[in-house]
Amino acid sequence: ILNVEQSPQSLHVQEGDSTNFTCSFPSSNFYALHWYRWETAKSPEALFVMTLNGDEKKKGRISATLNTKEGYSYLYIKGSQPEDSATYLCASARDDKIIFGKGTRLHILP
Amino acid sequence: DAGVIQSPRHEVTEMGQEVTLRCKPISGHNSLFWYRQTMMRGLELLIYFNNNVPIDDSGMPEDRFSAKMPNASFSTLKIQPSEPRDSAVYFCASSYGLLTGELFFGEGSRLTVL
Repeated sequence: ILNVEQSPQSLHVQEGDSTNFTCSFPSSNFYALHWYRWETAKSPEALFVMTLNGDEKKKGRISATLNTKEGYSYLYIKGSQPEDSATYLCASARDDKIIFGKGTRLHILP
Repeated sequence: DAGVIQSPRHEVTEMGQEVTLRCKPISGHNSLFWYRQTMMRGLELLIYFNNNVPIDDSGMPEDRFSAKMPNASFSTLKIQPSEPRDSAVYFCASSYGLLTGELFFGEGSRLTVL
């Protein structure tokens, strides 16, 4: 994998349900993996920056895991709420660059 | 702190004109990034400065684009001459540290080239 790939592109989730999505990134020359939340009409805001293989970070109902050897990270949202509707971006830091994926667009259905 | 400040917020110009976008990073941050956001390509990294020095400019589309960071509190992205395909939202972000500091984004400059 040379690019940062996120899946799915878009996701509809019922309020109260839990969900997760994936970020795949080049495992060579790995430096860090970033997650951001991007709400409509706002700018991206950082959720997590992870550097160590096996890292797991949590902020409220949102958590993330990291596998640097195989080049993937999962973002989990527990008990989705309407305010979780946003685009979730991951970014790979390597080779003096921070490269973003195209994001997963999450829609929470009432 | 006021956060990352970008100007102008919106710019409409005609093809061939020079465009200058400005960014004031968060005080104390030593890394500054310029990204371009389009529907097709998402957020593309254009250039990255560390301690005011350009580290990687391989994302700058062509010679029409140039960026400077004359001091720790100011950066510009210039397009000369501008073309319709340059229409996009341009984001500036700053961070503390090289690549492990979280990025703080400005509100973006929406450029429309007619």
